[in-house]
Amino acid sequence: DTAVSQTPKYLVTQMGNDKSIKCEQNLGHDTMYWYKQDSKKFLKIMFSYNNKELIINETVPNRFSPKSPDKAHLNLHINSLELGDSAVYFCASSQKGTGYTFGSGTRLTVV
Amino acid sequence: AQSVTQLDSQVPVFEEAPVELRCNYSSSVSVYLFWYVQYPNQGLQLLLKYLSGSTLVKGINGFEAEFNKSQTSFHLRKPSVHISDTAEYFCAGGSGGGADGLTFGKGTHLIIQP
Repeated sequence: DTAVSQTPKYLVTQMGNDKSIKCEQNLGHDTMYWYKQDSKKFLKIMFSYNNKELIINETVPNRFSPKSPDKAHLNLHINSLELGDSAVYFCASSQKGTGYTFGSGTRLTVV
Repeated sequence: AQSVTQLDSQVPVFEEAPVELRCNYSSSVSVYLFWYVQYPNQGLQLLLKYLSGSTLVKGINGFEAEFNKSQTSFHLRKPSVHISDTAEYFCAGGSGGGADGLTFGKGTHLIIQP
């Protein structure tokens, strides 16, 4: 069983479109995150949710909106996609006092 | 605020030679430290982590790291590298393992030369 699973793995879309990336974890962790890895491979946190409550909301355009229907799921919706949104997006989960488990990533390409 | 610095963006090493990838952190609170590996076009795989206890941490694939509080370092080492170790390596730190998330270094590209 995959601990943190993201779908889709690849996403190619045109500028201006709206798209969603889904994430699910089966580890029973309380906290989930979205990270963005840019073209230089730099990883930066975007959001974190703890038990469905938004904890961290870094400086991210309003076009990005996370949604957590329950503590096992954290989806990322992106409106009006721009070329600069092209990146790899990683979902992760953690439990306080333990480590962080990452999904395999979603490679988003905006054309 | 937590920050993590990886001093080398690229490290070339000959196969079967030892390697050390450097990582320094800054924090005024207790830290959790991690090393992740990313193979080309793949996700992040945890190599090892320091949460508390012994300062020498052993991980997968023959890697180990030493937490040094006085030098605020968490360098990654392997006594003998293989071609298959070619990858991007990320050091990361978190203040509590909870909702704070991880702060990543910029990564070190390990290049193994035959």
